[in-house]
Formats: sequence, C-alpha cells, structure tokens
Amino acid sequence: NAGVTQTPKFRVLKTGQSMTLLCAQDMNHEYMYWYRQDPGMGLRLIHYSVGEGTTAKGEVPDGYNVSRLKKQNFLLGLESAAPSQTSVYFCASSHKAGGYNEQFFGPGTRLTVL
Amino acid sequence: AQTVTQSQPEMSVQEAETVTLSCTYDTSESDYYLFWYKQPPSRQMILVIRQEAYKQQNATENRFSVNFQKAAKSFSLKISDSQLGDAAMYFCAYRSPTGTASKLTFGTGTRLQVTL
Repeated sequence: NAGVTQTPKFRVLKTGQSMTLLCAQDMNHEYMYWYRQDPGMGLRLIHYSVGEGTTAKGEVPDGYNVSRLKKQNFLLGLESAAPSQTSVYFCASSHKAGGYNEQFFGPGTRLTVL
Repeated sequence: AQTVTQSQPEMSVQEAETVTLSCTYDTSESDYYLFWYKQPPSRQMILVIRQEAYKQQNATENRFSVNFQKAAKSFSLKISDSQLGDAAMYFCAYRSPTGTASKLTFGTGTRLQVTL
C-alpha cells in the first residue's frame, strides 16, 4: 500500500497563477483533509471531506477550493495564487469508524508563490 | 473551540538522556483523543503515541510515554534513552469525539535537538 500520496512535491507559482494539488489514498478512508503548515503556527485545517461528493470548510479556507469526486482522491485548488499562500501543504485521511480515527499524512507539497 | 498550546518552541537533550515535551489544551468536552506526532526533516508526519481521555492509564510505546493529567488538561510526552533519530518537530494534537469528522487541532510544535 502506498498510503497517502501527494502530487506534486514542490511547485513555484507566480502571483495570480492557478494550480491544483492532488491527494490520493489507497486505504479506503472516508475522511480526507487538507492542512497548511507555516513556521511557528503548526498545521491548520483548510478544508475537509467526510465522503465522496462532500466538502466542508476548515479553519483557513479563504483562497482555496476543493473537490472530492472520487473516494480515493481529494483535490485542493488555488484559483489565483497569492504570496500569503506560500506554505507546505499536507493531505491526510482517516477512517469514519469510532475510536482513535488516526489521521495518516502524505509527504507534503512545498509551494512558493512569488 | 479547542486550543492546544506547546510552550516550548525548542528543546535539547543529550543522547541516552530523557526529555519531556509539554502540551496543554483547552476544552469543555469530557471525552476526546490526544496525539503526539513527530515530523523529521523529511517532513513526513508520523504518529508517535495516542491517548483517549477516558483511559486513566498513561499510554506507552517503547521509549515514548505520556503523562496525561485530565484535570490539569496536560498531555506531556516523555522520550527515554533519546536517540539521534528522535531529532524532529513534535506536534501535540487534540481530537473531539466521533461526529466532528475527526478533525485535529494542532499545537505550534516543539523542535527537539539531540546532541552527542
């Protein structure tokens, strides 16, 4: 099993450009998440999904859109990139069932917006 | 909303020694889950240890153990016999009970240095 994978691993954008980050998981998890990590601020939740075809806003959703057309994939889009979106982006997934519902993380994408 | 505080931005420990990383949280819920994640230079987030609030016994995973003080809302991580590979960022995280999409709230992290 590959677990959670993210594409691409690195990207440099110019202000105003758009891009999509792809997250894929092969663990049949219902829940998926997108976080951003900035120095001194830990990980903050951008958007999440509780199942195929559903999405919801997290703590810092402005400037991002998401889609979950297939259960195994969760896409994060930036329509018009801004320097404030320079960050490391992590995708994660977890089971829906009760208990610890541990989140499994992808390797991250480092995005720089010039 | 729940908050998680890690008051130690950086810590240092000598190899083979013991170090404790602190974490406090604020919640009005009685049942919840707490986690410690490790992030080495590779950036990969790795689960180190987890604890359910209803379980009084402190969790232990090999050299890693926690001191969970529910009344004080404290969840510290103890690393015994520290190794060079333990050098990383450590994040404490809180999760509400089932029904909240299992969302995690993270602290700001503690960078652990391990010296010879």
